[in-house]
Amino acid sequence: SQQGEEDPQALSIQEGENATMNCSYKTSINNLQWYRQNSGRGLVHLILIRSNEREKHSGRLRVTLDTSKKSSSLLITASRAADTASYFCATDAPSNTGKLIFGQGTTLQVKP
Amino acid sequence: NAGVTQTPKFQVLKTGQSMTLQCAQDMNHEYMSWYRQDPGMGLRLIHYSVGAGITDQGEVPNGYNVSRSTTEDFPLRLLSAAPSQTSVYFCASRLLTGPNEKLFFGSGTQLSVL
Repeated sequence: SQQGEEDPQALSIQEGENATMNCSYKTSINNLQWYRQNSGRGLVHLILIRSNEREKHSGRLRVTLDTSKKSSSLLITASRAADTASYFCATDAPSNTGKLIFGQGTTLQVKP
Repeated sequence: NAGVTQTPKFQVLKTGQSMTLQCAQDMNHEYMSWYRQDPGMGLRLIHYSVGAGITDQGEVPNGYNVSRSTTEDFPLRLLSAAPSQTSVYFCASRLLTGPNEKLFFGSGTQLSVL
């Protein structure tokens, strides 16, 4: 079974608004990563947050991690039409097997 | 660097046929993996490898075989294709240690089994 569950499954907003996506997971992690997938393409890494970090920023992206609740959120500020894509969280277990287990993803549509 | 290269991009098989999806990376990554992605779903891990000669099963390994004879290559074999294996397949690789252990993905193989 998949480690991560994402919420919402789909999100539609206007350009300029903020978009928030949530990810919950089941077991302990080494780090949590967020990826983006444009339609018909491979996934591209966005940001990585380690289990001892609570918040991380990269440009218009802000990621939070709450290990006590086993949850993470991805905030995209001042969204643009080009942000339209699917977004996935992936968890990296402490076992150092290298496995990344993905959630089912959130499909974001940003309307111009 | 070419990154992660997958071939073919598209493939149509008949039920019962076998085929190999190729994956190669030129970044000297220890870790390589195969995922499948079905409509409306996330990625599910099929098999992975942490180095040459070492492979292990992921979440959905049945019907697939892998080998890792070199650091660069990680082919995925479908032994006897079934319609349930119709999917988009992604190969991905990464370093196992370091400050940014992100996955690098290939562009995908769209497989249809009739």
